[in-house]
Amino acid sequence: QVQLQESGPGLVKPSETLSLTCTVSGGSISSYYWSWIRQPPGKGLEWIGYIYYSGSTNYNPSLKSRVTISVDTSKNQFSLKLSSVTAADTAVYYCARGHGQYWGQGTLVTVSS
Amino acid sequence: DVVMTQSPLSLPVTLGQPASISCRSSQSLVYSDGNTYLNWFQQRPGQSPRRLIYKVSNRDSGVPDRFSGSGSGTDFTLKISRVEAEDVGVYYCMQGTHWPPTFGGGTKVEIK
Repeated sequence: QVQLQESGPGLVKPSETLSLTCTVSGGSISSYYWSWIRQPPGKGLEWIGYIYYSGSTNYNPSLKSRVTISVDTSKNQFSLKLSSVTAADTAVYYCARGHGQYWGQGTLVTVSS
Repeated sequence: DVVMTQSPLSLPVTLGQPASISCRSSQSLVYSDGNTYLNWFQQRPGQSPRRLIYKVSNRDSGVPDRFSGSGSGTDFTLKISRVEAEDVGVYYCMQGTHWPPTFGGGTKVEIK
């Protein structure tokens, strides 16, 4: 069974960069594409972007100027960086495989000074 | 972006009774390869979403057969044939045909 686990700081200061890593276990990161999705507290879901194991990416236009997703196949991990964060970026961040076949448990990231 | 509109927002259901959730998209979800990339997710309280249905009507592994999906084009439905207590949560439709993927606003299923 494929499992995903997000890790990273739970608190980020405004204007700084949010960085999260997703570790995939129970299967290889090679093949498939891997996604980041977020959910502000009490609200709905927003797709951030995805990366294919080869490194090709596609980002939500609403966040494209601030998002970078990368992959490290040797570690079976992929990562998210979101720059110039504001309070509006406070959310539970999920990593997922493809269009959501498998999800991590999510990690709450709060943007606050 | 493609707007996904779900109804109702809230759905109180009696245990053992059926439930139905509607999802409408602002554009056709038929992709150039002939597939329709419409998924349904369940999010139980305090948990991450779980995919139930992919490509309109295909149940994911381990999903009880009381869940079924149907529809075409811009109009889709998730049905629960007999609601059980473990079905409480928020249900989301999601389209993956057009970039970026977008979710409906969610339907909260609760027991009467």
